[in-house]
Amino acid sequence: GNSVTQMEGPVTLSEEAFLTINCTYTATGYPSLFWYVQYPGEGLQLLLKATKADDKGSNKGFEATYRKETTSFHLEKGSVQVSDSAVYFCALSLHAGGTSYGKLTFGQGTILTVHP
Amino acid sequence: KAGVTQTPRYLIKTRGQQVTLSCSPISGHRSVSWYQQTPGQGLQFLFEYFSETQRNKGNFPGRFSGRQFSNSRSEMNVSTLELGDSALYLCASSSEVRAGTDTQYFGPGTRLTVL
Repeated sequence: GNSVTQMEGPVTLSEEAFLTINCTYTATGYPSLFWYVQYPGEGLQLLLKATKADDKGSNKGFEATYRKETTSFHLEKGSVQVSDSAVYFCALSLHAGGTSYGKLTFGQGTILTVHP
Repeated sequence: KAGVTQTPRYLIKTRGQQVTLSCSPISGHRSVSWYQQTPGQGLQFLFEYFSETQRNKGNFPGRFSGRQFSNSRSEMNVSTLELGDSALYLCASSSEVRAGTDTQYFGPGTRLTVL
């Protein structure tokens, strides 16, 4: 089946530190990959996405590159801020139809806390 | 464009009751997906509707059902509530022109507590 594995959290960093959250996946078909962020009491917001191998998604200083050879989509940011404190989810969806329609498969989420 | 809206935001029910949650997608989006989020199981896919038809379903018991109306608004229903149904229920919409590549936009969720 399809699955997403994220690095164990929580992750605690000081402001301006470098962030990496690891994400690896297994997929029965060809996936698109996503990072979503969830702030307390809210739904999920798309942070970035990549739909084919070697694509780099980027947004608000966050980046992730779709690596088919290592089945990975690690999230990075060069300098985190207190406002980046949230839960981050890696997810995939398959390009085929059928049982893939409308379905995102999520990792377990990584809690990030950034201290001033 | 207005985002995805969900009503109500909070619900408290007792075991054995049933509940209906509502979701209004982004204008022009015809695909609506539902997810259950719990601390133990994380985010799990319930089902997806497109043009009033259920196209995909996750691994949940038949107590969980849904429907979609001609204006793309969707409802999900949970009958005979159990304590384990306490969760945040998230709705997401997308244009789903090409399967798997389009972004799903999430609503704020409905927090269901079963006592």
